Amino acid sequence: SAVISQKPSRDICQRGTSLTIQCQVDSQVTMMFWYRQQPGQSLTLIATANQGSEATYESGFVIDKFPISRPNLTFSTLTVSNMSPEDSSIYLCSAQDTGELFFGEGSRLTVL
Amino acid sequence: SQQGEEDPQALSIQEGENATMNCSYKTSINNLQWYRQNSGRGLVHLILIRSNEREKHSGRLRVTLDTSKKSSSLLITASRAADTASYFCATDSETSYDKVIFGPGTSLSVIP
Repeated sequence: SAVISQKPSRDICQRGTSLTIQCQVDSQVTMMFWYRQQPGQSLTLIATANQGSEATYESGFVIDKFPISRPNLTFSTLTVSNMSPEDSSIYLCSAQDTGELFFGEGSRLTVL
Repeated sequence: SQQGEEDPQALSIQEGENATMNCSYKTSINNLQWYRQNSGRGLVHLILIRSNEREKHSGRLRVTLDTSKKSSSLLITASRAADTASYFCATDSETSYDKVIFGPGTSLSVIP
């Protein structure tokens, strides 16, 4: 099973700023994804991070707000841009390995 | 878009009792997965069951899949206080088998 490290684990941010979350997988994986989990809610898929090409975004999520990079098969970043209090959530990186989806511990962002 | 729907939304039982959670989904799937999330933490993968499987066991966990009814159940036997967590079922997206979509989850409380 893949082991996923995510950082920062939590942060408090000011409105209007941007924050980049890093995700490192301990093995090469084909598929990586970013999810958001708002307080008390389930997980919502933001985008699929594609290696070497632009990410594929789900309905309601756009590249200008959530730019994603995936320079290789073990690393990805998600930036939350121009943050507002509504962006306060847990952001989770995941990787698919043999059909199973594995998660990092998540990054809990609070926007003031 | 959300594929799976769990019920009940919340479940409270005494330690030692069995807990059953159900999940229904809308379209055909390749596989269905169950996850556990302790409060404020990342998701832990419990079981993956493929569409050609009907039942799967892992320790005190038993998962069933009925593709004709588009439903699955997760049974936790002899529950422990440490089983207190949120449980999510997750299925392939309606639009892509590569993407995993989560249901709203069941919050389980096991009372010592």
